[in-house]
Amino acid sequence: QSALTQPASVSGSPGQSITISCTGTSNDVGNYNLVSWYQQHPGKAPKLIIYEGHLRPSGISDRFSGSQSGNTASLTISGLQAEDEADYYCCSYTGAFTFSLYVFGSGTKVTVL
Amino acid sequence: EVQVVESGGGLVKPGGSLTLSCAASGFTFDRYSMNWVRQAPGKGLEWVSFISGGGTYKYYTDSVRGRFTISRDNAKNSLNLQMNSLGVEDTAVYFCARQYYDATAYRRAFDLWGQGTLVTVSS
Repeated sequence: QSALTQPASVSGSPGQSITISCTGTSNDVGNYNLVSWYQQHPGKAPKLIIYEGHLRPSGISDRFSGSQSGNTASLTISGLQAEDEADYYCCSYTGAFTFSLYVFGSGTKVTVL
Repeated sequence: EVQVVESGGGLVKPGGSLTLSCAASGFTFDRYSMNWVRQAPGKGLEWVSFISGGGTYKYYTDSVRGRFTISRDNAKNSLNLQMNSLGVEDTAVYFCARQYYDATAYRRAFDLWGQGTLVTVSS
């Protein structure tokens, strides 16, 4: 199972919006609306920010939003803030038939200019 | 406090074995499926293994299947990962991650992570 494809880096100025793409295949992203997104600051554990494509866990800012079209999922961060500077990973459920349940994206480093 | 804490990492020679543990507290452990996720130094996240709440169902990523064994002891609120035939490519921080429950259903996502334990495979 190959990693999902994400841009290596995305940058934006405070207050701007940025979008991170996550491209998979019809065997993972395109077959299930079960993409989750994680934020990871250096040396820290990942933090769940979006699940099932567009849902936010309790306590997650509504500046984070998710969407999906075909084999590509996207994470949008609106009103970019300095604290949003981190690595972001998508993850798709791949189904029990593959015997490997999940595949992560390659990761995107977000820089706040 | 709701948390998971990994332990057992260290330096091991290629071909060697190591067992990682994850101690859970603050939640009803046997109601949650659990996972191991790893991150090689400077690299991205990689899902490694899953175990259902009762321990019946187990899944592995292709690169570790046949070498790693996931298990749990619900009486001790503990998750384990037995790793055999380790190679340099297994060098990573290993995270224990809980399957997410959002008050309506279990979700295909991981909401509680530990700080990880570092496994270094080197001669």
